[in-house]
Amino acid sequence: NAGVTQTPKFQVLKTGQSMTLQCAQDMNHNSMYWYRQDPGMGLRLIYYSASEGTTDKGEVPNGYNVSRLNKREFSLRLESAAPSQTSVYFCASSDGTLKRSGNTIYFGEGSWLTVV
Amino acid sequence: AQKITQTQPGMFVQEKEAVTLDCTYDTSDPSYGLFWYKQPSSGEMIFLIYQGSYDQQNATEGRYSLNFQKARKSANLVISASQLGDSAMYFCAMREPPWRGSTLGRLYFGRGTQLTVWP
Repeated sequence: NAGVTQTPKFQVLKTGQSMTLQCAQDMNHNSMYWYRQDPGMGLRLIYYSASEGTTDKGEVPNGYNVSRLNKREFSLRLESAAPSQTSVYFCASSDGTLKRSGNTIYFGEGSWLTVV
Repeated sequence: AQKITQTQPGMFVQEKEAVTLDCTYDTSDPSYGLFWYKQPSSGEMIFLIYQGSYDQQNATEGRYSLNFQKARKSANLVISASQLGDSAMYFCAMREPPWRGSTLGRLYFGRGTQLTVWP
């Protein structure tokens, strides 16, 4: 029962370094998302991908890039990390449709990133 | 303007009592979905309950129920018979339908309510 798996769980970066957060889902979902969570702010959408090969900006995309490598994987890249990017990052996936019977968005366990 | 408003930063409830966590939302779309998630101190986001805007009845999932008042645009979460393990942050979220040119509906989160259950 893997669901949504994201790595790494913890990372410390120096300002200006780059890194990639990896995310994979095994539920055959079309849609995948990257959120960041900051204290008192709830979750804010960074980027999302409606389907393989497509990506779109969310609320706070500056400083990030994404790649939808295939249907399973959606990675988030910080090209030049800044202290303002210290946050908890969540990957999520869903089947991408709004059904009357309801649908669920599944989250990974989160990645704690600190930029010093 | 905020799409989701949770006005209670923190709530306290005694074990075995019921508690209501408030959530109001803002949308002009007739079709939308409302979610509640629980985030314990370990950090993961746990889906609790879903309510569709066209659903006639309030959603229920075990001890969780959603008090959906469409005219007031409110979607309060009711937890009956609270347990110590219910202590966590709770997030209300809304999903709007896909818009032109996209198959994906955006999901908006509130800022959360920290619930503490005491013995």
